[in-house]
Amino acid sequence: IAGITQAPTSQILAAGRRMTLRCTQDMRHNAMYWYRQDLGLGLRLIHYSNTAGTTGKGEVPDGYSVSRANTDDFPLTLASAVPSQTSVYFCASSDGTLIPQFFGPGTRLTVL
Amino acid sequence: QKEVEQNSGPLSVPEGAIASLNCTYSDRVSQSFFWYRQYSGKSPELIMSIYSNGDKEDGRFTAQLNKASQYVSLLIRDSQPSDSATYLCAVNPFYNTNAGKSTFGDGTTLTVKP
Repeated sequence: IAGITQAPTSQILAAGRRMTLRCTQDMRHNAMYWYRQDLGLGLRLIHYSNTAGTTGKGEVPDGYSVSRANTDDFPLTLASAVPSQTSVYFCASSDGTLIPQFFGPGTRLTVL
Repeated sequence: QKEVEQNSGPLSVPEGAIASLNCTYSDRVSQSFFWYRQYSGKSPELIMSIYSNGDKEDGRFTAQLNKASQYVSLLIRDSQPSDSATYLCAVNPFYNTNAGKSTFGDGTTLTVKP
């Protein structure tokens, strides 16, 4: 593994189903983030974690939950998917206040 | 007012020209500024970072920062068709102790025509 990996690459999901998007980094970065990117709306922060064991809400947290059991993994869960959660989801990481973030390849999620 | 605003674009320039991408931010105490390039269907990748007023050059790219005017720009000299992408401006607020919590603009799409 080099950098950040995300799984799955893409997924089509029925509304009401539960879904977990996986994110793993091997850079030992303390901070990790989940963004969604919709056409015309840029990147919006869903949840973040400054260090293992802590999480926080971003700009659009409703309908999503996260956990940070260790430094490397930061899964994002949709408890009951809705069509408005159709988006591209990016996981990112950083270490230090003034160090920029690095992004994973993204997961394209479609909720029908 | 959005925290980070970029020219909505799209911006089109001929090959070999200078492309100028602009970004303004509302939080006066912001300390670090970044430009990301995002090709269609791909994830953002960092191309420039700047922390002090003035210019910072890296190859064909120059970032310019003016904290008094709350303005950061990216100049691409000798634009190439391979520079065609969406460019995202990101700002990290000084007062925010959450590491790396950047605020992103919506991006400007650049097309370089051969």
